[in-house]
Amino acid sequence: QLQLQESGSGLVKPSQTLSLTCAVSGGSISSGGYSWSWIRQPPGKGLEWIGYIYHSGSTYYNPSLKSRVTISVDRSKNQFSLKLSSVTAADTAVYYCARVAAAWFDPWGQGTLVTVSS
Amino acid sequence: QSVLTQPPSVSGAPGQRVTISCTGSSSNIGAGYDVHWYQQLPGTAPKLLIYGNSNRPSGVPDRFSGSKSGTSASLAITGLQAEDEADYYCQSYDSSPVFGGGTKLTVL
Repeated sequence: QLQLQESGSGLVKPSQTLSLTCAVSGGSISSGGYSWSWIRQPPGKGLEWIGYIYHSGSTYYNPSLKSRVTISVDRSKNQFSLKLSSVTAADTAVYYCARVAAAWFDPWGQGTLVTVSS
Repeated sequence: QSVLTQPPSVSGAPGQRVTISCTGSSSNIGAGYDVHWYQQLPGTAPKLLIYGNSNRPSGVPDRFSGSKSGTSASLAITGLQAEDEADYYCQSYDSSPVFGGGTKLTVL
């Protein structure tokens, strides 16, 4: 069964770069032609899609975050990563990674809380 | 404000039927894009509940069903159980993936 696990810094200072990694287990990140995605959820609020990395390695980002987001993949480690630059308190959220199955997200990682604070 | 509109909350007694609406527009649901639903139990990650408007992944009880018509979609839950108390989110596409604001289901 495919499992995803987020990891990274839980506390980031304003203006710095948030960095997270999603480790994929139970299957290869390179098989099946799947894309991989990051989604976030501010405390007590709804879900916001951040971006995709396609099987081809190309990326597509939420237009509202595009200038600050980079998603990359490391196939040798079976993982993909998120970098979000110039963070502010508004970027405080639980960050989830997920596999993109056609047009929906399944499965999801358990999520990791990132707090932006000095 | 979310591109897809959901009621903030719904409630029902055990055994009852409840529905959760997801209203979009001609640029997303009305443009023919499918709607997917997720269940988020307290303190956990969202879990896929319905995909492609009305399809249930393996393991999801048939008490859960989805439908789509025009610019809206609905999630119906029959035979309501205490364990169904959760937040429910719809998702579609509008130049990029978009989510509804979420609906909190309370089982009375």
